[in-house]
Amino acid sequence: DTGVSQNPRHKITKRGQNVTFRCDPISEHNRLYWYRQTLGQGPEFLTYFQNEAQLEKSRLLSDRFSAERPKGSFSTLEIQRTEQGDSAMYLCASSLGLNTEAFFGQGTRLTVV
Amino acid sequence: AQTVTQSQPEMSVQEAETVTLSCTYDTSESDYYLFWYKQPPSRQMILVIRQEAYKQQNATENRFSVNFQKAAKSFSLKISDSQLGDAAMYFCAYRRGNSGAGSYQLTFGKGTKLSVIP
Repeated sequence: DTGVSQNPRHKITKRGQNVTFRCDPISEHNRLYWYRQTLGQGPEFLTYFQNEAQLEKSRLLSDRFSAERPKGSFSTLEIQRTEQGDSAMYLCASSLGLNTEAFFGQGTRLTVV
Repeated sequence: AQTVTQSQPEMSVQEAETVTLSCTYDTSESDYYLFWYKQPPSRQMILVIRQEAYKQQNATENRFSVNFQKAAKSFSLKISDSQLGDAAMYFCAYRRGNSGAGSYQLTFGKGTKLSVIP
């Protein structure tokens, strides 16, 4: 499978715990994006990487959230001290260039109990 | 800030018939792109069609076509000869053009759930 891969697919965690998600983009895609999608809503932009550089962060990305993309390959999104409001689908996408199609992964569904 | 509005939370269409999904957007930019994405129950978003704002000709991809009305800021999706596999959530999305911050993030509408009746 050469698409965008996200792990885990589902995560249930207790409030206050830390969680980390991983995204493996399509090989050679230098641009990587994280989005969050809550029930009944469209995806909302969280952050963007060009290679290893994090070039943009949404105001939705509070200081409890951190994203990395070491060596410009896979990316991780960590949420510290999770809250019930963090429950959502976290989507990762990658693209080869600015004007090329962004391919999405299947997402990681987070449930905070 | 740019906004994208999809006023139809749900739509249904008979198999083989045609359906049109509505989308309006608000922007002060002149250079931008518009997209329709499909999200089947498996949740992986798939690009259906894209339109560059500078192009007057409406984009077409097989059974999918758009009606782009730039002055009215309207971007509807027409699905012809609907198939059972077309059943999904459809999201309209906007991205500003290639200049300045934010030109790489997509702004999505809330989506329209399309059901196809056999």
